Amino acid sequence: ETGVTQTPRHLVMGMTNKKSLKCEQHLGHNAMYWYKQSAKKPLELMFVYNFKEQTENNSVPSRFSPECPNSSHLFLHLHTLQPEDSALYLCASSQEQRGNTQYFGPGTRLTVL
Amino acid sequence: AQKVTQAQTEISVVEKEDVTLDCVYETRDTTYYLFWYKQPPSGELVFLIRRNSFDEQNEISGRYSWNFQKSTSSFNFTITASQVVDSAVYFCALSEVLYSGYSTLTFGKGTMLLVSP
Repeated sequence: ETGVTQTPRHLVMGMTNKKSLKCEQHLGHNAMYWYKQSAKKPLELMFVYNFKEQTENNSVPSRFSPECPNSSHLFLHLHTLQPEDSALYLCASSQEQRGNTQYFGPGTRLTVL
Repeated sequence: AQKVTQAQTEISVVEKEDVTLDCVYETRDTTYYLFWYKQPPSGELVFLIRRNSFDEQNEISGRYSWNFQKSTSSFNFTITASQVVDSAVYFCALSEVLYSGYSTLTFGKGTMLLVSP
């Protein structure tokens, strides 16, 4: 595998389900990001991890719970979501240095019923 | 706060036409970085270019070229002789230093480019 991978690519869940999104980067980077992309809205930064430590939580509701066990893996645990949480969730990684390029995964298309 | 404006929501062209996507940014930083990404229907954001604020030289890569003008805070992207495969949403982004001291990107809303045969 190369670059940034995300699984699953598509996910349909009910409002009471618990699911997790997984992201893995094979680029040797030390920063990882979760973004949310809703229809007709700009990409919204959700969380930032640097060297496995969460350095940014952009006022994200607690029903989204990130986990970064090491610099290569990032998870987003989901529980009791709302239909308005349906979106494309994108993971990215970069070498943490100001202005460095972020490389994105293919995203997980989430639908909450 | 930083801001990136892509005023063109959607552009439609016929194959082989040239097309320019506009990007205007606002920042108080003296050192900053600008980016363009392409998002095809598959969803993945594909990195196209990174430019720092001290380098105002225009750049050309094949059919793609970028015009960075600090005086007007613009970083426009031109595709020459467009092809159907260029159909995608294109995002302009600006590096931003967060309160934590780490950096991330501020994105524009994107421009959807439709190239028809």
